Amino acid sequence: EAGVVQSPRYKIIEKKQPVAFWCNPISGHNTLYWYRQNLGQGPELLIRYENEEAVDDSQLPKDRFSAERLKGVDSTLKIQPAELGDSAVYLCASSLEREGGPGTYEQYFGPGTRLTVT
Amino acid sequence: QKEVEQNSGPLSVPEGAIASLNCTYSDRVSQSFFWYRQYSGKSPELIMSIYSNGDKEDGRFTAQLNKASQYVSLLIRDSQPSDSATYLCAGKTSYDKVIFGPGTSLSVIP
Repeated sequence: EAGVVQSPRYKIIEKKQPVAFWCNPISGHNTLYWYRQNLGQGPELLIRYENEEAVDDSQLPKDRFSAERLKGVDSTLKIQPAELGDSAVYLCASSLEREGGPGTYEQYFGPGTRLTVT
Repeated sequence: QKEVEQNSGPLSVPEGAIASLNCTYSDRVSQSFFWYRQYSGKSPELIMSIYSNGDKEDGRFTAQLNKASQYVSLLIRDSQPSDSATYLCAGKTSYDKVIFGPGTSLSVIP
């Protein structure tokens, strides 16, 4: 079974430029997460999707970040314009949660995209 | 109080010893708990999940949950150099948000 796929793996951009990250979750996983991880810290949730619906985007800086998961499968996270402080690893994860039931929330992570803003 | 707290380490243990990793959590984090392993430059990998008080064993790993004291621990028996990594503790809130701790760095010395 293929794992979570992310691209690109690395990205270097100048500040004020736009950047986009793509994620394809494990086949059949209905819940998708985007995290940001800074060096020496744990992942911080940016947004969580259940199918097509963004159910938790409270930590997403909406002035510059946007995300979409149009068909409930793959997802794109965009930053425009990027700032120096956005340099981090952006992780995508997925899990399979039962409809209407208590979920496990056991998440499987992709390899991440390391973003450097200069 | 931070929602999920861990000692940053590094924790060093000799090969073959038991490594004990601890995590405490706040009232906001009250449900499922998870341990992830993260090698340097790699993404987190799920090791174990635990949902109820007590111990849960999987091979060389044992997770322990004590909800009254609000702590969860991970024991690694017969530690190997390949266990050297950062271990992330995570917990789920009542509104289904998983919150990660900062991680504890483990070094197993041959």
